[in-house]
Amino acid sequence: GQNIDQPTEMTATEGAIVQINCTYQTSGFNGLFWYQQHAGEAPTFLSYNVLDGLEEKGRFSSFLSRSKGYSYLLLKELQMKDSASYLCAVRDEDYKLSFGAGTTVTVRA
Amino acid sequence: NAGVTQTPKFRILKIGQSMTLQCTQDMNHNYMYWYRQDPGMGLKLIYYSVGAGITDKGEVPNGYNVSRSTTEDFPLRLELAAPSQTSVYFCASSYSEQGYEQYFGPGTRLTVT
Repeated sequence: GQNIDQPTEMTATEGAIVQINCTYQTSGFNGLFWYQQHAGEAPTFLSYNVLDGLEEKGRFSSFLSRSKGYSYLLLKELQMKDSASYLCAVRDEDYKLSFGAGTTVTVRA
Repeated sequence: NAGVTQTPKFRILKIGQSMTLQCTQDMNHNYMYWYRQDPGMGLKLIYYSVGAGITDKGEVPNGYNVSRSTTEDFPLRLELAAPSQTSVYFCASSYSEQGYEQYFGPGTRLTVT
């Protein structure tokens, strides 16, 4: 099974940077995903890491260290529309996803 | 493409009633999944399917059944609804196990009273 931990809530100011950490303990590993979920909506894919290092995609970057069981999602130049829940998910050896409880990010003006 | 569609959007059931949550995808994806999401919790996998005619249990399958007679459709059946099944249900699909993005439907909000 998987044990995935991420902070419950974070607050930041518009234009700032926020880093959301995710730690995991897994019986098998086939990639780590970040999804964004606005209130009342479905999750949408943000990023994917399977090798160690940083993946950059516009204002969003995701980092993975497999040896430490650690990932973070970096959101730069925060905008009000970035207020959402961010879900860390780990894919196991059977290619099934296990999700963390999500981190609610509130962006203030 | 409509992507992944789910019906109904909302439903209120009485304890002991049955219902089927519908899920259809038009992306020709082989893999389909059913998740439930409770407030403040992550998504939990209920059942998944790797292709027509093949289904398997996820983390929380008790009280649910599925079938996959076509590539497009993956209905979820609740036979005897219980208050513990009050949740938001999401259907998702992906092209293959290697395909790293799962596409989610808009969800069905179910209340059992």
